[in-house]
Amino acid sequence: EAEVAQSPRYKITEKSQAVAFWCDPISGHATLYWYRQILGQGPELLVQFQDESVVDDSQLPKDRFSAERLKGVDSTLKIQPAELGDSAMYLCASSRTWASGSTDTQYFGPGTRLTVL
Amino acid sequence: KQEVTQIPAALSVPEGENLVLNCSFTDSAIYNLQWFRQDPGKGLTSLLLIQSSQREQTSGRLNASLDKSSGRSTLYIAASQPGDSATYLCAVRVEYGNKLVFGAGTILRVKS
Repeated sequence: EAEVAQSPRYKITEKSQAVAFWCDPISGHATLYWYRQILGQGPELLVQFQDESVVDDSQLPKDRFSAERLKGVDSTLKIQPAELGDSAMYLCASSRTWASGSTDTQYFGPGTRLTVL
Repeated sequence: KQEVTQIPAALSVPEGENLVLNCSFTDSAIYNLQWFRQDPGKGLTSLLLIQSSQREQTSGRLNASLDKSSGRSTLYIAASQPGDSATYLCAVRVEYGNKLVFGAGTILRVKS
């Protein structure tokens, strides 16, 4: 069964450093999502892509976070500079997109656990 | 703005007990509702998805119900087992758009 791949699984960095996370969605899934989950809370959507275009980045802290999906397949989420409050689990999900623009069920990857010291 | 609340925040039960997890949402204009399981430090596994037109879904020992008009859903777990110990998250998909809004989850511990 196809799965969403993420790397690295764990990342420890010092504040003010740059970090990057990678996500490879399930083949054929046009929609890709990045979520942030702070310990003890539910995931919160950071950015949503439809192919290579950003559909929703209203909750992305754009002063330090950036996301790209250049060829409409895999995606990278970057934080520069990292702050202590960025410590969280970063989850990637993907879903199929119907011709109407609506999407199917989201499938989640294993996540990247970020610790900022 | 859609808000999702889950009660209780944590639950500890002896093995074999039947239990109910609760989820409420503030805006009834939802496309569907989904229950997920999350093991410590892991990603999310989808358990059940209920479309807005449906009342319930069942999978093995799990049964999820949806009362869209009152903004409530319950996840019923029958004959709980230690392997059921995990965090259970409820998420609603907003009616206009593809965004999932999650609750904070219920941490379940089943004692053997």
